[in-house]
Amino acid sequence: DAGITQSPRHKVTETGTPVTLRCHQTENHRYMYWYRQDPGHGLRLIHYSYGVKDTDKGEVSDGYSVSRSKTEDFLLTLESATSSQTSVYFCAISEHSGGGYQPQHFGDGTRLSIL
Amino acid sequence: QKEVEQNSGPLSVPEGAIASLNCTYSDRGSQSFFWYRQYSGKSPELIMSIYSNGDKEDGRFTAQLNKASQYVSLLIRDSQPSDSATYLCAVVGNEKLTFGTGTRLTIIP
Repeated sequence: DAGITQSPRHKVTETGTPVTLRCHQTENHRYMYWYRQDPGHGLRLIHYSYGVKDTDKGEVSDGYSVSRSKTEDFLLTLESATSSQTSVYFCAISEHSGGGYQPQHFGDGTRLSIL
Repeated sequence: QKEVEQNSGPLSVPEGAIASLNCTYSDRGSQSFFWYRQYSGKSPELIMSIYSNGDKEDGRFTAQLNKASQYVSLLIRDSQPSDSATYLCAVVGNEKLTFGTGTRLTIIP
């Protein structure tokens, strides 16, 4: 299994509070991603990173920020959590080789509930 | 039109039969295609990658790609109850990976 650890695995918090989710990898992969998964919507990309301090937005980035200060760590922050951000969050990693796009491998996920 | 479309199911298949899962995509320039399996409450797990037209076999799994018709399929032979899961199709176009919403497969003993 790809060495990806997400923390926390479960979290319940209240509307308006800040929340930070952590993704840690031991594969030294360049690319890291944050997704949310909701019924009827599938996996949707929030933000991704293509190197230390290099990040970009995905299709559902509003209300989220990210940071990557080390190759192995990618943080997702909800500055002021809302109930619409209740979801399951997955981190993924990949390494794009000269031979083309390489598949992503996923962490175990964080189940986040915002009351 | 969704970029990657799958029938949400549920698809019910008797144990030992062939399960056929289909996926269509809209970006004609797509070059890389993946199938993930996701058990309930778990994370997606990569089971097949395919990059060129034709069939690719790996054990009981066969991925089929037809770029002219813009579809990719997954066949599971000798289906087992442990194959019951949601199967996600993922397609790379313009350096972006897009997932379908998944097909829920149930293998009936």
